[in-house]
Amino acid sequence: DTEVTQTPKHLVMGMTNKKSLKCEQHMGHRAMYWYKQKAKKPPELMFVYSYEKLSINESVPSRFSPECPNSSLLNLHLHALQPEDSALYLCASSPGGGTYTFGSGTRLTVV
Amino acid sequence: TQLLEQSPQFLSIQEGENLTVYCNSSSVFSSLQWYRQEPGEGPVLLVTVVTGGEVKKLKRLTFQFGDARKDSSLHITAAQTGDTGLYLCAGAPSSNYQLIWGAGTKLIIKP
Repeated sequence: DTEVTQTPKHLVMGMTNKKSLKCEQHMGHRAMYWYKQKAKKPPELMFVYSYEKLSINESVPSRFSPECPNSSLLNLHLHALQPEDSALYLCASSPGGGTYTFGSGTRLTVV
Repeated sequence: TQLLEQSPQFLSIQEGENLTVYCNSSSVFSSLQWYRQEPGEGPVLLVTVVTGGEVKKLKRLTFQFGDARKDSSLHITAAQTGDTGLYLCAGAPSSNYQLIWGAGTKLIIKP
């Protein structure tokens, strides 16, 4: 298995909802990432998990809460989001050494 | 702060023409990657270059890493409509877990 799987592919949520994005990889990669991407822009790093521990939080608002239950899974819990949080949310994994595999993303719309 | 300047940001050419996209930095990267992204999908890795002066070919795409590992180029020969997409370069400053992204090149190939 050489893929990063993200679910759901599309999500529409209200500003008072709580939802979660899921990411899974079975490549044994030790680092996993959440990125946010706006249209026609490069991905912006949000969080990095290394060996299941949060190693980088790029000053992301607390309405985004990451979780790494085990070495294969990465979640992003969403609560009280704003319309400007609408974007493509990408998960990626890496074994280290500059090689990354991206999932196909979750297209999030906050209404 | 390390930066990766990508140019051009937008390119629209006729099918059959050649094109080159550039990524330049004043910083050294341990590796540099090129991705292609379709709307609503995650970036798909095209190539990783790690050695200064390295040239890699992927069918009609030629990737080059500068001798000093500070810059890279993507050359497409005889562009096809299927080459349309957003091309992103991303550099790994060291063997840590972060990527520095270029701004992206929106490429449109007209039939």
